[in-house]
Amino acid sequence: DAGVIQSPRHEVTEMGQEVTLRCKPISGHDYLFWYRQTMMRGLELLIYFNNNVPIDDSGMPEDRFSAKMPNASFSTLKIQPSEPRDSAVYFCASSLGGFETQYFGPGTRLLVL
Amino acid sequence: GDSVTQMEGPVTLSEEAFLTINCTYTATGYPSLFWYVQYPGEGLQLLLKATKADDKGSNKGFEATYRKETTSFHLEKGSVQVSDSAVYFCALRNNQGGKLIFGQGTELSVKP
Repeated sequence: DAGVIQSPRHEVTEMGQEVTLRCKPISGHDYLFWYRQTMMRGLELLIYFNNNVPIDDSGMPEDRFSAKMPNASFSTLKIQPSEPRDSAVYFCASSLGGFETQYFGPGTRLLVL
Repeated sequence: GDSVTQMEGPVTLSEEAFLTINCTYTATGYPSLFWYVQYPGEGLQLLLKATKADDKGSNKGFEATYRKETTSFHLEKGSVQVSDSAVYFCALRNNQGGKLIFGQGTELSVKP
């Protein structure tokens, strides 16, 4: 079975550019989560969706960050404009029924120069 | 607020050694507790969980017991393998339906 798919796996961009990260959750899962992982702050929940509806975006650091889930099989996390402090690994995860058993994708390693 | 504290890594062990990774938590009420594992280049995956005091979660030879009196959920394995080399994350979820709160992660390196 296919797991959570994320693209791209690596992204290098320059400060000020728009960055779009993509996620395909496991088919049939009704929850989707976006996390950011850094050495300084560890693993942080940015936003999560239930049945394609954003439920809690309190973890989104600034208005430069936005996330959408237009359908049950696709979500995007966009950063515009990007800044060097956004450099991190961004994980997408999905689950069935809630928070407890989440399945993580391989992550997107973002470097903003 | 709720929080999880793990022992700092990296932890380096020889194959077949005994493993303990300490995890303590602060939470209101009675949270559920989890261990997730992240293998190199991969996302996190659930290793085991426990939902109430004195429960023992186990999987793949790993065990952890929910100790409410010491607010701990230490991860143990009797004999580690090179393939266990990974980063291990302790996490909690409070019983009011909140999000997962992760610890900082502990890197384990097992040498042959």
